[in-house]
Amino acid sequence: GQQLNQSPQSMFIQEGEDVSMNCTSSSIFNTWLWYKQDPGEGPVLLIALYKAGELTSNGRLTAQFGITRKDSFLNISASIPSDVGIYFCAGRRVQGAQKLVFGQGTRLTINP
Amino acid sequence: DAGITQSPRHKVTETGTPVTLRCHQTENHRYMYWYRQDPGHGLRLIHYSYGVKDTDKGEVSDGYSVSRSKTEDFLLTLESATSSQTSVYFCAISEDRVTSGANVLTFGAGSRLTVL
Repeated sequence: GQQLNQSPQSMFIQEGEDVSMNCTSSSIFNTWLWYKQDPGEGPVLLIALYKAGELTSNGRLTAQFGITRKDSFLNISASIPSDVGIYFCAGRRVQGAQKLVFGQGTRLTINP
Repeated sequence: DAGITQSPRHKVTETGTPVTLRCHQTENHRYMYWYRQDPGHGLRLIHYSYGVKDTDKGEVSDGYSVSRSKTEDFLLTLESATSSQTSVYFCAISEDRVTSGANVLTFGAGSRLTVL
């Protein structure tokens, strides 16, 4: 099945740095979701986006629904150790079989 | 985990044996899903259910069957486990179709299955 292209696949940063990751597709989406997965746990929803151009924040996290409707971005400001984990994007396509497709994930590692 | 319990959390089995994973929810949500998570593939949908005894296939359904006899329980069965089914399996729920409105998935904690 179609997957989203999520990048980068992994990131190694210093505590306090800002983080940026994104998801892109050749298809148009009407919803973007960002999840975080802690080790040994299931993904937890961070931010949901429903409108092109929408910019939504959740604490230090900010996500944007791309204007082209084919991409989305997640930024984390001033990273802290508990930000470690795998971040997944998920998108809901406009055309074709209606389903939720997931990116491959971005694994974030933080050096104290 | 928003009232989602998966069991067992860990299982090791041998090739050719049957395996059943259970998902139990206390949210009374209509939709339940089974995903598998593998490195480099993210989360892929195996099967989902849209009501009691109503199920449909996802993108990687071969080798898996499901059953939903009660709203709160969704079972995933591997009739004859293979090594390629070694994975982490996640159950998820949503109040209504995840492809419409503001419905989102809520995930369980996962079941790690190893097939030797």
